[in-house]
Amino acid sequence: GAVVSQHPSWVICKSGTSVKIECRSLDFQATTMFWYRQFPKQSLMLMATSNEGSKATYEQGVEKDKFLINHASLTLSTLTVTSAHPEDSSFYICSVGTSGIGYEQYFGPGTRLTVT
Amino acid sequence: AQKITQTQPGMFVQEKEAVTLDCTYDTSDQSYGLFWYKQPSSGEMIFLIYQGSYDEQNATEGRYSLNFQKARKSANLVISASQLGDSAMYFCAMMDSNYQLIWGAGTKLIIKP
Repeated sequence: GAVVSQHPSWVICKSGTSVKIECRSLDFQATTMFWYRQFPKQSLMLMATSNEGSKATYEQGVEKDKFLINHASLTLSTLTVTSAHPEDSSFYICSVGTSGIGYEQYFGPGTRLTVT
Repeated sequence: AQKITQTQPGMFVQEKEAVTLDCTYDTSDQSYGLFWYKQPSSGEMIFLIYQGSYDEQNATEGRYSLNFQKARKSANLVISASQLGDSAMYFCAMMDSNYQLIWGAGTKLIIKP
């Protein structure tokens, strides 16, 4: 399977600042990456689908101006949380879509964001 | 609408016993894929097993097997000879026609020594 990294693993930032999270596909050229958000003891919530070289597709209810996604290369997608607020505190996890038999997704280790 | 249902919020199982985690799904698609992922306390999502809707045989991967009953729309995960390291959240998911995953609520599995 694909190996996916995320940076940083966790970050604490002050309210009003912006935070950038990187998602890298280390051994697979990822045309499509996905960004999820997960609240404690809940399932994953898809935020957006990131396609290399084009604009991301956001899920209903996700503010595209707040959660900026850039997928500039086949190995890197970034999620920037702009003007962060405490309610943005969450676990953010990215995944790489593969062309395997089931088009299974492989996930990064996640980034825990705390906004104070 | 497509939906995944996991009815077991949590399970306790004795080490070395087999365990079955339930998953039912709802879809009108003829072609679909079903997945199980494991999420340890560290947070990473680990792909375990995949079953395609047209696969006639149940998928197996080491100690994991998927009990696929298409008519009942169920895709239960069976873990044989459970180990302490199997303690984690387990999520069932289905891929839709946009290659996006629809997730169940998850089951927290705790293996007792």
